[in-house]
Amino acid sequence: DVKVTQSSRYLVKRTGEKVFLECVQDMDHENMFWYRQDPGLGLRLIYFSYDVKMKEKGDIPEGYSVSREKKERFSLILESASTNQTSMYLCASRYRPNPGEKLFFGSGTQLSVL
Amino acid sequence: DQQVKQNSPSLSVQEGRISILNCDYTNSMFDYFLWYKKYPAEGPTFLISISSIKDKNEDGRFTVFLNKSAKHLSLHIVPSQPGDSAVYFCAATGYGGSQGNLIFGKGTKLSVKP
Repeated sequence: DVKVTQSSRYLVKRTGEKVFLECVQDMDHENMFWYRQDPGLGLRLIYFSYDVKMKEKGDIPEGYSVSREKKERFSLILESASTNQTSMYLCASRYRPNPGEKLFFGSGTQLSVL
Repeated sequence: DQQVKQNSPSLSVQEGRISILNCDYTNSMFDYFLWYKKYPAEGPTFLISISSIKDKNEDGRFTVFLNKSAKHLSLHIVPSQPGDSAVYFCAATGYGGSQGNLIFGKGTKLSVKP
């Protein structure tokens, strides 16, 4: 089974802090994604990466950046955390960008920014 | 503009009865549809999918129906069990749009009462 591991289940940070969320997948998947989930808003795509060193903005990239230096690892960076970034963050990966190719999700990181 | 819509934020069903979750889409370029299930504090897990060349796909208690002319799909769960209580996300994708990425609906929270 594919395993997508997010480094933290729960995080509490202060406004203005720089926050790193780490994600690792173990199945040599090309594509990796960061979503946030908020009640009533569903899953919204923040950034994605189709390959190492590549990154593309999703629907809500403002306030975030990403890094993909190795194929298995995709990091989400909150440059200066704000309270409106309190959310559940979900990392996902898939083998390749074909329609119908399943996404595999990590367990999520619940981030609270105080 | 929402391309994938789940108009019912919640649904309550008695154990043993049928659960029907609905999803509408606007982009005629979508040609693959997936359903994900999410428990609280966990990542979404893939449930079932359907290609646009089909109008029905079945997997055990779960059946997805696709009506392309109406741009509508539905997930049927028969019989419903308390363990099915979760948030269900409909997602769509296609070569022609969204760069092959999944576009998610906002989710429907299903509660199955014993």
